[in-house]
Amino acid sequence: EAQVTQNPRYLITVTGKKLTVTCSQNMNHEYMSWYRQDPGLGLRQIYYSMNVEVTDKGDVPEGYKVSRKEKRNFPLILESPSPNQTSLYFCASSSSRMGATDTQYFGPGTRLTVL
Amino acid sequence: DQQVKQNSPSLSVQEGRISILNCDYTNSMFDYFLWYKKYPAEGPTFLISISSIKDKNEDGRFTVFLNKSAKHLSLHIVPSQPGDSAVYFCQGNAGGTSYGKLTFGQGTILTVHP
Repeated sequence: EAQVTQNPRYLITVTGKKLTVTCSQNMNHEYMSWYRQDPGLGLRQIYYSMNVEVTDKGDVPEGYKVSRKEKRNFPLILESPSPNQTSLYFCASSSSRMGATDTQYFGPGTRLTVL
Repeated sequence: DQQVKQNSPSLSVQEGRISILNCDYTNSMFDYFLWYKKYPAEGPTFLISISSIKDKNEDGRFTVFLNKSAKHLSLHIVPSQPGDSAVYFCQGNAGGTSYGKLTFGQGTILTVHP
């Protein structure tokens, strides 16, 4: 089954404790991206990757890191989480380098709470 | 700078009637638009798209209209069904060097009453 998986689905942590949210897709997609969803703000892009070893900032990259060492995986790293990073996070992938026109497939989301 | 705006946070319609969801954008470089639907506890799923060279695209009960001069697009759902109740996001994409950077609106919560 074609899918994007994220782990964990739910996470409660404390300020400053490094964490990683994993994202994996089994569709051989070049393009992958991370978003956060907040009430009244919709989906905002954090980072994206056009292919292996190619990453770039979205609209809200501060406080996040990413890496793309393998085509299927695109982990999101919070080196020192803060309460304003409490949010619902989505990973997505699409089949083309032209991620703009290809539809994205989204993971189920990760609900992160930073105390 | 919110380049894509959905100014109606919510919309409530009766089953069988038309639902119209609106989206405005400011970036004149956007050349492709997509609508996604999101149910609670799930990730968004693609619904329908439109290229800037068109002014209308239809897929079953869903039609998207694009008015480039007004920088406005709308999603029409006819007839609306209770299963359409979800959050709808519009997305604008610019080509060129920005084609990986994607911008979504704030979302509109649609509730269809039986």
